[in-house]
Amino acid sequence: RKEVEQDPGPFNVPEGATVAFNCTYSNSASQSFFWYRQDCRKEPKLLMSVYSSGNEDGRFTAQLNRASQYISLLIRDSKLSDSATYLCVVTLNTGGFKTIFGAGTRLFVKA
Amino acid sequence: DAGITQSPRYKITETGRQVTLMCHQTWSHSYMFWYRQDLGHGLRLIYYSAAADITDKGEVPDGYVVSRSKTENFPLTLESATRSQTSVYFCASKFGGRLNTEAFFGQGTRLTVV
Repeated sequence: RKEVEQDPGPFNVPEGATVAFNCTYSNSASQSFFWYRQDCRKEPKLLMSVYSSGNEDGRFTAQLNRASQYISLLIRDSKLSDSATYLCVVTLNTGGFKTIFGAGTRLFVKA
Repeated sequence: DAGITQSPRYKITETGRQVTLMCHQTWSHSYMFWYRQDLGHGLRLIYYSAAADITDKGEVPDGYVVSRSKTENFPLTLESATRSQTSVYFCASKFGGRLNTEAFFGQGTRLTVV
């Protein structure tokens, strides 16, 4: 079983739609959680960290459920520029900080 | 310029040859990582390093060797390249003082093994 699993999509949504991505992780030693964004053929970049209390950054809301080992990302009012791959990331404290990426969920926002 | 840079950006090599991918960061981040990215697999961790002279295996270390003699450099060597190692390779670094710090990525090296 992969340590971090995501629905690969693709998700095809119209502009203005709300879309949600889910991610599960298998290792209970996972201690930090993130969502990264990757545009086609480019390097991944941090979108937002995910905190236990949930956190929001503009149109983006991230939530963490440690009991279910589940992370989510909600995008409201989708824009064409949101089209990208969204990567779920966990960092495990196994003596060192091992950072594991999910395979990513592809999002296409259409006019 | 400050940041993290990878070289070369593109490389074509033959099966069986040794090839080294370079990664250099100017932030003095303690942690550095090597990932490979293939369609359907996302980013998979090859090796990571917590500090100079400390390295650990990731998810897919077989066929790769790393070293970290200096904090700023983390080269990845394919000792005898195989076609299955054709991929995009990303290097990343992060500040190690806290668990929840951001990882910064280089622009990637596209490696083709023929």
